[in-house]
Amino acid sequence: DSGVTQTPKHLITATGQRVTLRCSPRSGDLSVYWYQQSLDQGLQFLIQYYNGEERAKGNILERFSAQQFPDLHSELNLSSLELGDSALYFCASSVDGLSSYNEQFFGPGTRLTVL
Amino acid sequence: GESVGLHLPTLSVQEGDNSIINCAYSNSASDYFIWYKQESGKGPQFIIDIRSNMDKRQGQRVTVLLNKTVKHLSLQIAATQPGDSAVYFCAVRWRGNDYKLSFGAGTTVTVRA
Repeated sequence: DSGVTQTPKHLITATGQRVTLRCSPRSGDLSVYWYQQSLDQGLQFLIQYYNGEERAKGNILERFSAQQFPDLHSELNLSSLELGDSALYFCASSVDGLSSYNEQFFGPGTRLTVL
Repeated sequence: GESVGLHLPTLSVQEGDNSIINCAYSNSASDYFIWYKQESGKGPQFIIDIRSNMDKRQGQRVTVLLNKTVKHLSLQIAATQPGDSAVYFCAVRWRGNDYKLSFGAGTTVTVRA
């Protein structure tokens, strides 16, 4: 158990819908990262927040957005869902930001299926 | 940019033998390298990391070797056990990419009893 929690574990929805994925980082970690893992793309970095502020962006679509709240939990919002958005979405956390040599601890993931 | 590739998508190894998983990266400015293990239904789990100022780092039953000359990274697992069956990813970061991690596609290791 990494200490990072994600809810829900599974999510099935239809095209065009909007969903929210939730992540609670390890106690004491200030950074939260979101990744997408699909069969053909591997693990892709989406976005990072550090202490409530967006710190770095990766291959995140405009239909997707995220935020980190004062209690440091984070939410990833996916809207206008398409079939190709079906994937595993992982949240990770670390003590510090990307530029530090801190390992990222990954949550168990949310499996999103878009029908 | 940075591209990260693994030499073999799958590896079958006899229990008790040593395993070697390889990874190649493209950017010579990469400064930090991490190996992750992902078991079925779980998130990636940190195994070991190495900074660019090192050539070798050892952990418990694992060794990471870094060859910056040819931009190659390897993970060696000693005395492979059934619990080592998983997908292994290398992750690479470089300052020019805002320190974001780029992941390889993964090598699936299967341990034969």
